[in-house]
Amino acid sequence: ETGVTQTPRHLVMGMTNKKSLKCEQHLGHNAMYWYKQSAKKPLELMFVYNFKEQTENNSVPSRFSPECPNSSHLFLHLHTLQPEDSALYLCASSHGQGVGEQYFGPGTRLTVT
Amino acid sequence: GESVGLHLPTLSVQEGDNSIINCAYSNSASDYFIWYKQESGKGPQFIIDIRSNMDKRQGQRVTVLLNKTVKHLSLQIAATQPGDSAVYFCAEKVGGNTGKLIFGQGTTLQVKP
Repeated sequence: ETGVTQTPRHLVMGMTNKKSLKCEQHLGHNAMYWYKQSAKKPLELMFVYNFKEQTENNSVPSRFSPECPNSSHLFLHLHTLQPEDSALYLCASSHGQGVGEQYFGPGTRLTVT
Repeated sequence: GESVGLHLPTLSVQEGDNSIINCAYSNSASDYFIWYKQESGKGPQFIIDIRSNMDKRQGQRVTVLLNKTVKHLSLQIAATQPGDSAVYFCAEKVGGNTGKLIFGQGTTLQVKP
């Protein structure tokens, strides 16, 4: 699990707050991903970055804003979220986009009140 | 459409028995498949993968079988242990070399002592 770390592990925020989720990978990978995991639903891909460039935005609302300053770090900036955005947000990385398995972090459990 | 499904949401087995978790996928062009295990409070952990040019692959106590004719994937766990209790996800890669993973909903494996 130390290959991909995420902070914070738990976050409670109001609908008017602004917060950021952080992901860091120590595996030398070039692709990073954000997923949303809700109860009783499959993992939903949100964003993909390959060599710091965003290559996939899976129709995610603009209240979620990703940032990838380098291949090791990935952020998800949150603004004016809705209660239905409460979920586990998972970060993953892989050697390259579509190359090999993805390694996941432990996730951030987000609750929007 | 793109969908990956698991046949049963929950599977309960006796410790020491073999477990078989099934998955059906819909995209006949998918060329790579992965099984992940997710324990409570953790992110998904890679178990085993298989490419579409194979029909069987074995790991330590796990075997993945791929039947492309009926678009079916299964994970077999030999001598199931209490530590195997988790949610198991299958995923297929769609979209070629830089494709994305599409995840199934997950099967919860419960191991009875």
